[in-house]
Order: sequence, then C-alpha cells, then structure tokens
Amino acid sequence: EAQVTQNPRYLITVTGKKLTVTCSQNMNHEYMSWYRQDPGLGLRQIYYSMNVEVTDKGDVPEGYKVSRKEKRNFPLILESPSPNQTSLYFCASSLHRDPAYEQYFGPGTRLTVT
Amino acid sequence: DQQVKQNSPSLSVQEGRISILNCDYTNSMFDYFLWYKKYPAEGPTFLISISSIKDKNEDGRFTVFLNKSAKHLSLHIVPSQPGDSAVYFCAASPTLSNAGGTSYGKLTFGQGTILTVHP
Repeated sequence: EAQVTQNPRYLITVTGKKLTVTCSQNMNHEYMSWYRQDPGLGLRQIYYSMNVEVTDKGDVPEGYKVSRKEKRNFPLILESPSPNQTSLYFCASSLHRDPAYEQYFGPGTRLTVT
Repeated sequence: DQQVKQNSPSLSVQEGRISILNCDYTNSMFDYFLWYKKYPAEGPTFLISISSIKDKNEDGRFTVFLNKSAKHLSLHIVPSQPGDSAVYFCAASPTLSNAGGTSYGKLTFGQGTILTVHP
C-alpha cells in the first residue's frame, strides 16, 4: 500500500531531551516536507526537500533539523525540545519536486514537551 | 505575517445546500493554489487545485474560483453532504519562474475552516 508513515504517533518528552520523529514513504517521491499544526495557525511548513541531500527551510525552521540521506526517509530532529514545540506534526511527500502538486500526508505525530 | 488567510474559523450548512469557503492571500508571487481536507486523527488529503492562469477549476461537487486581482479564492461544494464535515485548508505556492532562489518549494497554508454539514 502506498503510504507515508511516521513514528512515533504520540510522544511525551521533557525539555532538552533530543528526539527524532521518523518519516518514510514508499512511493519513490521526490519531494518531502514537514509541517506543524497549531490551533489558530493552521499548518506551517518547517523544512522541505526536493531531492536527496537537498533540504531547505520552510516558514518555521527554528529549533528543528532534518536530513535526506535516502529518497524514502526524511527524519525530523529536535536537538533540544522546548514546550513551544508541543504540536501536531505531519510529514508529506509528493511525486514532483514542485509543492504545487498533490502532497500525500502521514497520519501525524502528536508531540508534548513538558 | 500570515500570507494566506482564512478569516472564517467555522462554517455550518445544511445538507444539500452550497458550502462556500474563502481564502485570501497577500503574496503576489503565489501562482498555484490548493485545497486540502482534514478529518480528525488523520493527515490532510488533497482536494482540488488551480493555477493562476485559470479563474475556475471544477471536479465533481467541488469548484475552486480564483480572483487574482482581489487575491482571493473560494471553494464551492455543491451539494454539501454530511461526509464533507472536516477542516479545510487552502494553500499557496510560487512557481519556479516567480519564486526566485529562496521560496521555490515552499507551501504556505491558511489557518483552516471547520465545515459542519448538518443532515
């Protein structure tokens, strides 16, 4: 089944404890991206990647890192999480490098930082 | 600075009637516009899109209208069904020719509108 998977789905952690949220797609998609969803703010793009080894900042990249060593994986790394990173995170991928094309979203990861 | 705005947090309509969801944008470099639908506990799913060279795109019950001079787009759902109840996000993206080096690849979403369709 063609899909975008994220792990974990739920995570509660403490301030400063490094964490990684994994994202994997099995559709051979070129484009991958991370978003966070917050009440009243909608979805905001954190980072995106249009190719292996190519990553770019979205609108809210502060406090996050990403890497794209393989086409299928795009992990999101929080080196020192803070409570303002408590949010619902979505990974997405698209066949084309242009985000104007349909993106397929994962089921989301709900992160709580205390 | 919210470059894509959905000013109505919620909308309630009766089954069978028309739902109109609105979206405004400020960045004139945006060339492509998309609508995504999101159910609770799921990721968003693509609904319909429109390029700035068009003013209307239709797909079954869903039609998106673009007024470039007003920097406004709307999504019409006719007829509305209870299964359409969800959060609707509009999104905008610059094309390569418009974006320049730093913004191509970005996708900017609005805040979302919760649509409730009553049976």
